[in-house]
Amino acid sequence: QSALTQPASVSGSPGQSITISCTGTSSDVGGYNYVSWYQQYPGKAPKLLIYDVSNRPSGVSNRFSGSKSGNAASLTISGLQAEDEADYFCSSYTSSTSRVFGGGTQLTVL
Amino acid sequence: QVQVVQSGAEVKKPGASVKVSCKTSGYTFTNFYMHWVRQAPGQGLEWMGIINPTGGTTNFAQKFQGRITMTSDTSTSTVYMELSSLRSQDTAVYYCARGRAGTRNGMDVWGQGTTVTVSS
Repeated sequence: QSALTQPASVSGSPGQSITISCTGTSSDVGGYNYVSWYQQYPGKAPKLLIYDVSNRPSGVSNRFSGSKSGNAASLTISGLQAEDEADYFCSSYTSSTSRVFGGGTQLTVL
Repeated sequence: QVQVVQSGAEVKKPGASVKVSCKTSGYTFTNFYMHWVRQAPGQGLEWMGIINPTGGTTNFAQKFQGRITMTSDTSTSTVYMELSSLRSQDTAVYYCARGRAGTRNGMDVWGQGTTVTVSS
């Protein structure tokens, strides 16, 4: 199972919106509405931001939103804040009943 | 509150095995699957497998088939992951992460991570 494809890095200024893409295939992202997104700070465990493409767990800011079209999913962060600077990973359920992660995207807040 | 606490760091020689534990509390252990995910230094996340603590049914990433074992102990609400035939490429932080109820893919509570170093 190949990793999902994410841009290595994205950047934005405070207050702006940014979008991180996550591209897979019809055997993972495109085949199921089981895409999740995680935020990770250096040296820390990941934190669940989005599950089932667009659902936020309790306590996650509504500045984080997810969507999907075909074989690609996206995470949008609106009203960018300095504290959003972190690594972001997508993940999908797959046709072999496994899970796969994206390579990760480093977000820089300028 | 819900907690997932992992065992401490390990240093192993190539060819050896390592067993990492993940002790849970604050929720009904048998109601949630547990994933194992690893992260090599400076790299991304890699899904290793999943265990249903009720009955111990497992599903592993193909990459680890044959050298990974996952078990659960309902009496202590603890899951274990054992990786054998270790090589230097297995040096990583290993995480257990609870599978969120009601979805096939959402890991909502993570352990603090266990660093495994494989070196001769």
